[in-house]
Amino acid sequence: DGGITQSPKYLFRKEGQNVTLSCEQNLNHDAMYWYRQDPGQGLRLIYYSQIVNDFQKGDIAEGYSVSREKKESFPLTVTSAQKNPTAFYLCASSMGREPDTQYFGPGTRLTVL
Amino acid sequence: GQNIDQPTEMTATEGAIVQINCTYQTSGFNGLFWYQQHAGEAPTFLSYNVLDGLEEKGRFSSFLSRSKGYSYLLLKELQMKDSASYLCAVVDSNYQLIWGAGTKLIIKP
Repeated sequence: DGGITQSPKYLFRKEGQNVTLSCEQNLNHDAMYWYRQDPGQGLRLIYYSQIVNDFQKGDIAEGYSVSREKKESFPLTVTSAQKNPTAFYLCASSMGREPDTQYFGPGTRLTVL
Repeated sequence: GQNIDQPTEMTATEGAIVQINCTYQTSGFNGLFWYQQHAGEAPTFLSYNVLDGLEEKGRFSSFLSRSKGYSYLLLKELQMKDSASYLCAVVDSNYQLIWGAGTKLIIKP
């Protein structure tokens, strides 16, 4: 079955610790994205990657880092520099061609204590 | 700036019809998406419009007017499982997706 997986579903961390969220896809999609979702707000783009070994900052990249060493994988690290890391994090992928529909993983809910 | 407006919350009755509006002001336009998101879950793709007019897909239809910067999602024969948030997203001139805050739809029996 093709799809996008994110792990874990729920994650708890102490303030000041870095944490890495996993995102894997087997859809053979070129593009991958990380979003953050807070209550009452739209999805906000953190980082995106259109091709392996290349990625661009989104609207709220500060305090986050990513890598794209493999086509299938796009892990997101939430660093201690991120002021308000508690949120629902969504990973998505797309073919990278119009209409470029994005397909989402199940999400990771990160709570920083 | 870029802006997408949707009502925050709507309530409808099971079996009825509801229309969720989305107006946008973006730098360019290269398409509009509607997604459904149940609480605590991932958004799932519903529809894509790039030309003016109505696209029908079963109980769901989506309409676009590019000259008015306006779209709506029409849900017919509402079911309890349609209780969810509905997200409108516009592809701008840089082919970036701009997301609205979503409309929470509450279905009452």
